[in-house]
Amino acid sequence: GQQVKQSSPSLTVQEGGISILNCDYENDMFDYFAWYKKYPDNSPTLLISVRSNVDKREDGRLTVFLNKSGKHFSLHITASQPEDTAVYLCAAGLNQGGSAKLIFGEGTKLTVSS
Amino acid sequence: EAAVTQSPRSKVAVTGGKVTLSCHQTNNHDYMYWYRQDTGHGLRLIHYSYVADSTEKGDIPDGYKASRPSQENFSLILELASLSQTAVYFCASSEGLGASAETLYFGSGTRLTVL
Repeated sequence: GQQVKQSSPSLTVQEGGISILNCDYENDMFDYFAWYKKYPDNSPTLLISVRSNVDKREDGRLTVFLNKSGKHFSLHITASQPEDTAVYLCAAGLNQGGSAKLIFGEGTKLTVSS
Repeated sequence: EAAVTQSPRSKVAVTGGKVTLSCHQTNNHDYMYWYRQDTGHGLRLIHYSYVADSTEKGDIPDGYKASRPSQENFSLILELASLSQTAVYFCASSEGLGASAETLYFGSGTRLTVL
């Protein structure tokens, strides 16, 4: 089964609004959670990440919320802008001896309309 | 700037043929990975390596081999290409140590079409 799942394949948000992207995971041993951004025909790039010892991390317009009991994490993008339009991939993993064997979700295509 | 470069950028192969995808990194990273991207599946790990001359199976290794002849180079080999292996393939590297141990740096991808 899918260990990391993004239930929404797409999301449309008005410019200036808050984009909320969700991700669920199955393995409660995961200790690292990340969001990657991918433009069409480009490679994924890391947006923000958290380890399991924190519930929240902010970086500018981005905030990651981690709910370990619910095995769920989310990405909030405030003041959404058209350039935020992209595919967002969540990823989770367990650091075993340094290996970043991340498991990715299917991706959510965010469209910010002006 | 750290970089992961893949070659070729795209390739058309025939069913049953041999395909080799190459990846080169200048990050001085120990870890390298091969992922494939398919619609509806996100990125799935095929093989990875944490040291030269050694490779490990990922989540979907069947039909693929990997080779890590040096720290900088990591190849993905399809001995007998099949239609189901049509996908975009991404190579990535990571430090494996430190505060950013898990951050993956991806190449631009190789679009493989098997006919």
